[in-house]
Amino acid sequence: GENVEQHPSTLSVQEGDSAVIKCTYSDSASNYFPWYKQELGKRPQLIIDIRSNVGEKKDQRIAVTLNKTAKHFSLHITETQPEDSAVYFCASNYGGSQGNLIFGKGTKLSVKP
Amino acid sequence: DSGVTQTPKHLITATGQRVTLRCSPRSGDLSVYWYQQSLDQGLQFLIQYYNGEERAKGNILERFSAQQFPDLHSELNLSSLELGDSALYFCASSVDGASYNEQFFGPGTRLTVL
Repeated sequence: GENVEQHPSTLSVQEGDSAVIKCTYSDSASNYFPWYKQELGKRPQLIIDIRSNVGEKKDQRIAVTLNKTAKHFSLHITETQPEDSAVYFCASNYGGSQGNLIFGKGTKLSVKP
Repeated sequence: DSGVTQTPKHLITATGQRVTLRCSPRSGDLSVYWYQQSLDQGLQFLIQYYNGEERAKGNILERFSAQQFPDLHSELNLSSLELGDSALYFCASSVDGASYNEQFFGPGTRLTVL
């Protein structure tokens, strides 16, 4: 079945540094790649997503890149702040547009002031 | 607040018992998803309903079942509970069944099986 590998599982950075989280997927039909942020004790919330017809998307301090050939996509957070501390999940839609989301196991990001 | 509600917030029960988790989607959303979140397994997709019909199934055990009612609320039934079923169960909803639409998560139900 579909598997989404996410690395690293934990990431600690100094405030102001950049953070990068990487994911790989296996289903060639996948065409949608969202990223969710889950703060401690709270629900996951979508922070950014990218579709397969786009290579990069940016929203203020966060950006996502996609390499369809290599089946890789990454989340980039610049100028990290303590409030960025959370668990981040990548996902891809297994089976394409009518499929369902498969999530990576998450990356716990800690931003130290 | 995502607009998705889940009840109860916490549930403590014993092995072998049966429980029902309830979810109300955002107003206007037709699709409901159920996820299980364990400490080391991230978010595991269980099942999806769209407008009352089962749309997709993930790693859902045979002891688990779900349904979506005409008013679009959904229930997840967990039976013959085992210690390993202890987890946070999230419901999410989206406007339709397409996988590229944002899913809005509820606050979750924390199930503890003793």
